[in-house]
Amino acid sequence: DSGVTQTPKHLITATGQRVTLRCSPRSGDLSVYWYQQSLDQGLQFLIQYYNGEERAKGNILERFSAQQFPDLHSELNLSSLELGDSALYFCASSDSPNSPLHFGNGTRLTVT
Amino acid sequence: GDSVTQMEGPVTLSEEAFLTINCTYTATGYPSLFWYVQYPGEGLQLLLKATKADDKGSNKGFEATYRKETTSFHLEKGSVQVSDSAVYFCALSSGGSNYKLTFGKGTLLTVNP
Repeated sequence: DSGVTQTPKHLITATGQRVTLRCSPRSGDLSVYWYQQSLDQGLQFLIQYYNGEERAKGNILERFSAQQFPDLHSELNLSSLELGDSALYFCASSDSPNSPLHFGNGTRLTVT
Repeated sequence: GDSVTQMEGPVTLSEEAFLTINCTYTATGYPSLFWYVQYPGEGLQLLLKATKADDKGSNKGFEATYRKETTSFHLEKGSVQVSDSAVYFCALSSGGSNYKLTFGKGTLLTVNP
């Protein structure tokens, strides 16, 4: 058990809809990262937060947004969903910039 | 930009066989290198890491050596077990305060008894 909790585990929704994925980092970890894993693109870095502030952005679409709250949990919001957004979304956390990342078990999003 | 290329799978081996999964990278500066493992239905777990040239990372019988001259970080294990069946990801971090990992596409390993 990595200590990173992601909810829900599975999400099935229709095109055009909006969903929110939630992540609770390991106790004490200030950094949260979001990754998207798909068969064709592999693991793609989306965004990083550190203690509530955005630190780095990767290949995150404008339809996607994220935030990290004062209690350090994070939410990834995906809107105007398309079929191609179907993927496994991972959250990871770390306690300092050069520490290894600890991954949650992911949220599997299926857009129909 | 940074990139990681690892051998495409799937790789199928018999128990006790020798494993090599090749990984090469492109990065500016001196990245840290990692191998992560993903078991079915789970998130990624750090397997081993190396932070500078000629470092050898090792864990659970797996080893990888940071080779700057060949920009490689190949994963090896002398004798695989059925329980090693998983997807293996090579990754790099260019460091700094923005700790962004760049991953390879992953290699599926299946070990048969």
